Amino acid sequence: AQSVAQPEDQVNVAEGNPLTVKCTYSVSGNPYLFWYVQYPNRGLQFLLKYITGDNLVKGSYGFEAEFNKSQTSFHLKKPSALVSDSALYFCAVRASGQAGTALIFGKGTTLSVSS
Amino acid sequence: NAGVTQTPKFQVLKTGQSMTLQCAQDMNHEYMSWYRQDPGMGLRLIHYSVGAGITDQGEVPNGYNVSRSTTEDFPLRLLSAAPSQTSVYFCASSGLAGSTDTQYFGPGTRLTVL
Repeated sequence: AQSVAQPEDQVNVAEGNPLTVKCTYSVSGNPYLFWYVQYPNRGLQFLLKYITGDNLVKGSYGFEAEFNKSQTSFHLKKPSALVSDSALYFCAVRASGQAGTALIFGKGTTLSVSS
Repeated sequence: NAGVTQTPKFQVLKTGQSMTLQCAQDMNHEYMSWYRQDPGMGLRLIHYSVGAGITDQGEVPNGYNVSRSTTEDFPLRLLSAAPSQTSVYFCASSGLAGSTDTQYFGPGTRLTVL
């Protein structure tokens, strides 16, 4: 069965510092991995995805994520955090070759950036 | 494009009442799905559809019905609302080109069942 773990409920970082939001996954076969962000009282917004190729994926708002197959991880990173990055972040996975199947989401990590 | 739209934005029901949450997309996406979001539990899949006339159950389908008569619309019906169905409901859609397509989410419906 597919699963996603986000081991930290909350990540606190000071503005200007680098941030990392962790995600590990379990899937049979090759994974397709996604990061979404949710601002208060809003829907989920797509940030980036890994399908194949370069392990470092760049996305919206200066975020990037590194795919590590041996560690089954897909951590979200940003070199310099902004207060406006404060939000709820979700990692999601789908196994390759399963067109039409749903994304499996982690429970989410709240990122709090202090000024 | 309006993307994925959901109505209503907010709804309060009494236990036992029924209602339909509307979802529409204008991106000609084949795949549509409904999730519920509860604190500390992430998003859980209720039902999904891979095309008009085809629906299937997700992780938490009990108490909900869906139908997909057109590509654009994917309504979610609560047959007899219960307090446990108090949640935020999100509709999402994506193309069906393999499983690499990005899912796009609607703004959500916040439902309270008293």
